Amino acid sequence: IAGITQAPTSQILAAGRRMTLRCTQDMRHNAMYWYRQDLGLGLRLIHYSNTAGTTGKGEVPDGYSVSRANTDDFPLTLASAVPSQTSVYFCASSDEASGTDTQYFGPGTRLTVL
Amino acid sequence: GQNIDQPTEMTATEGAIVQINCTYQTSGFNGLFWYQQHAGEAPTFLSYNVLDGLEEKGRFSSFLSRSKGYSYLLLKELQMKDSASYLCAVRDSNYQLIWGAGTKLIIKP
Repeated sequence: IAGITQAPTSQILAAGRRMTLRCTQDMRHNAMYWYRQDLGLGLRLIHYSNTAGTTGKGEVPDGYSVSRANTDDFPLTLASAVPSQTSVYFCASSDEASGTDTQYFGPGTRLTVL
Repeated sequence: GQNIDQPTEMTATEGAIVQINCTYQTSGFNGLFWYQQHAGEAPTFLSYNVLDGLEEKGRFSSFLSRSKGYSYLLLKELQMKDSASYLCAVRDSNYQLIWGAGTKLIIKP
């Protein structure tokens, strides 16, 4: 692994189903983030984690949950998917010790909820 | 509320120079970022400004004026591979990034 990986790459999901998007980084970054990107809108923060064991809510957290059991993994779960959750989901990580705390992104998961 | 404004789309010619503007109104300011995003791909980091002035990185430069709530990204010697969306983001007082919707840059031969 080099950088951040996300799985799956894409998924079509029936409404009401549960889905977990996976995110793993090998850069030992302390902070991780989940964003959704919709056409015509900026990236919107769903949840974040400043360090393993802690999580926080972003701008659009409803319908999503996260956990951060260790430094490397930050899964995002949709408990009961709805069509409005159709989007491209990006995971990102950053290292506060770097000074700029620049965020680096995974390749994304394209999710369609029908 | 917090707001980041960028033009939706710009067109430029290969070999030319283009300036992409970004204005922001945020609760606090802890730095401004520019990212490049090719269609279907992830955003990739281009530049970071926290103090007023110009930061130059090869063909790309980024300028910041905190008093005006304004930044621009300057791309010189445009190449076809520069066709992409350019995202402006500001880190606010909560240390969260607020993102603009992005500027789609189309390069014509």
